[in-house]
Amino acid sequence: AQKITQTQPGMFVQEKEAVTLDCTYDTSDPSYGLFWYKQPSSGEMIFLIYQGSYDQQNATEGRYSLNFQKARKSANLVISASQLGDSAMYFCAMRLSSNTGKLIFGQGTTLQVKP
Amino acid sequence: DAMVIQNPRYQVTQFGKPVTLSCSQTLNHNVMYWYQQKSSQAPKLLFHYYDKDFNNEADTPDNFQSRRPNTSFCFLDIRSPGLGDAAMYLCATSRSVLAKNIQYFGAGTRLSVL
Repeated sequence: AQKITQTQPGMFVQEKEAVTLDCTYDTSDPSYGLFWYKQPSSGEMIFLIYQGSYDQQNATEGRYSLNFQKARKSANLVISASQLGDSAMYFCAMRLSSNTGKLIFGQGTTLQVKP
Repeated sequence: DAMVIQNPRYQVTQFGKPVTLSCSQTLNHNVMYWYQQKSSQAPKLLFHYYDKDFNNEADTPDNFQSRRPNTSFCFLDIRSPGLGDAAMYLCATSRSVLAKNIQYFGAGTRLSVL
């Protein structure tokens, strides 16, 4: 069965420091995509970063990087130089090349950045 | 500029009174999704359209329907809202169902049922 697990319900980080949000996944499908989304209190789901299962290098997008360890089935999000605006819920999600292409979400991690 | 637009942002309806939520996109994507997200939970897919083909999730209640009159627009109809249907409803689009294609979300409609 396909599943995403985020084991950290809540995290705190000091402004300007780096933080890692954990994500593990489970699938037997060889072709999949891993995504991180940010959801502020306003509710919008904002795409942050994508990693394909066949990608050799870890994805990076500005202050966001994805630590992809395929053998361990983990896809942790690293946010460098945290800002107050980073305070939000973060979802890890997986997508298979199935007939629906739906996103399978983890339960989310609430990140609070302290000034 | 917003690429996936949901209207209204907030919707209040009465128990049992039909309600329609709207989603439009400027991305010309083939696939449009509707997710339901209850408080402090992950989004849950209700159904999606691939072009004109409607695909319902097995556990989506019959109370929920959808229409896609053209590529740009997709509607979520709740025929008889119950208190348990109060949630955030998120519309998303994607170029295809392939794993590598990003799903882009709208800002959501927060539905309250009185």
